[in-house]
Amino acid sequence: DVKVTQSSRYLVKRTGEKVFLECVQDMDHENMFWYRQDPGLGLRLIYFSYDVKMKEKGDIPEGYSVSREKKERFSLILESASTNQTSMYLCASSLGGLGNSPLHFGNGTRLTVT
Amino acid sequence: GIQVEQSPPDLILQEGANSTLRCNFSDSVNNLQWFHQNPWGQLINLFYIPSGTKQNGRLSATTVATERYSLLYISSSQTTDSGVYFCAVNSGGYQKVTFGIGTKLQVIP
Repeated sequence: DVKVTQSSRYLVKRTGEKVFLECVQDMDHENMFWYRQDPGLGLRLIYFSYDVKMKEKGDIPEGYSVSREKKERFSLILESASTNQTSMYLCASSLGGLGNSPLHFGNGTRLTVT
Repeated sequence: GIQVEQSPPDLILQEGANSTLRCNFSDSVNNLQWFHQNPWGQLINLFYIPSGTKQNGRLSATTVATERYSLLYISSSQTTDSGVYFCAVNSGGYQKVTFGIGTKLQVIP
């Protein structure tokens, strides 16, 4: 079974802090994704990566950056956390190719910015 | 971009009842996936179904790509089926997946 592991289940940070959310997958997947989930809005794509050191902006990249130095690890960075970034963050991975493989999600990180 | 609409937004079922969830999408798609998010937030991939019909136990799904919709059937519902069901589609040449806002299902004993 594919395992996608997010480093923290719950996280509380202060406004202005730099925040790192880590995600690791163990199935040699090429594609990795970061989503945020908010009530009434569903899941919205922040960034995705289709290869090491490659990244593409999703629908809501503002205020975020990402890093993929190794194939198995995809990090989401909040350069200066703000209260409107309080949300559930979900990491996902998929095998690769042109939209032809299922997504596998981690358990999520619930981030609160105070 | 592509629009994904799910209906109904909320559904309450008595245990043992059957239900149908619907997903409409506004453009042709390369693939379509159904997910279940349990009350603890974990998203589980139920079906990867760009077209046709698949069954997995009490759950089945049908996608009619030419008419731009997919249906998820839940038979003999159980309390463990409670949660939010998401439909997600890919319509581009790469792995950008767009989600609907979900159907919240509550199964009561």
